[in-house]
Amino acid sequence: GAVVSQHPSWVICKSGTSVKIECRSLDFQATTMFWYRQFPKQSLMLMATSNEGSKATYEQGVEKDKFLINHASLTLSTLTVTSAHPEDSSFYICSARAVLGEAFFGQGTRLTVV
Amino acid sequence: DAKTTQPNSMESNEEEPVHLPCNHSTISGTDYIHWYRQLPSQGPEYVIHGLTSNVNNRMASLAIAEDRKSSTLILHRATLRDAAVYYCILRNRNSGNTPLVFGKGTRLSVIA
Repeated sequence: GAVVSQHPSWVICKSGTSVKIECRSLDFQATTMFWYRQFPKQSLMLMATSNEGSKATYEQGVEKDKFLINHASLTLSTLTVTSAHPEDSSFYICSARAVLGEAFFGQGTRLTVV
Repeated sequence: DAKTTQPNSMESNEEEPVHLPCNHSTISGTDYIHWYRQLPSQGPEYVIHGLTSNVNNRMASLAIAEDRKSSTLILHRATLRDAAVYYCILRNRNSGNTPLVFGKGTRLSVIA
């Protein structure tokens, strides 16, 4: 079946540095991908919608200059957390849908900023 | 998308059936009922979905009330690997390629 692959699975970075997370659709083309964030014991919160070849759409309260999204191809979207701080530590998850129906999710990336 | 209500948590013994309820009293005629689950430290995964009729697949069964205001996800024999948060989500047929909106879900614990 369709698979969405996310990399890395976990990352630890120093405060002030930037971290890039990749999300790939392995056997289908995804013109749209979604990025979520999940804090411990909480549900997934949508951060932004990534559109191939155009600017991402951010949810209210999500800083677009801090969370840079690039969707340069039909199979790859990247989320870069710039100037990361400890409060950015979270579980980041991407999602895509091959056809209208079920959504596929990446394995998630656990970011720890120290 | 219409709202769903689920219990915060449930517990089951291993090898026993589990019935996870979901209330969706404001469901419209074109809303599909989707279930996803999230295993610990993983992204969500699709479980099952339906519109009006009961549905079965290799993972679970979905029982939909006649008035469609509630549904139940049935795991026929719970295993330790079924311990996860289960999300009941309504998706309108005309929602297009829009993101899933997650509620709090039901955290299922399975006891050996």
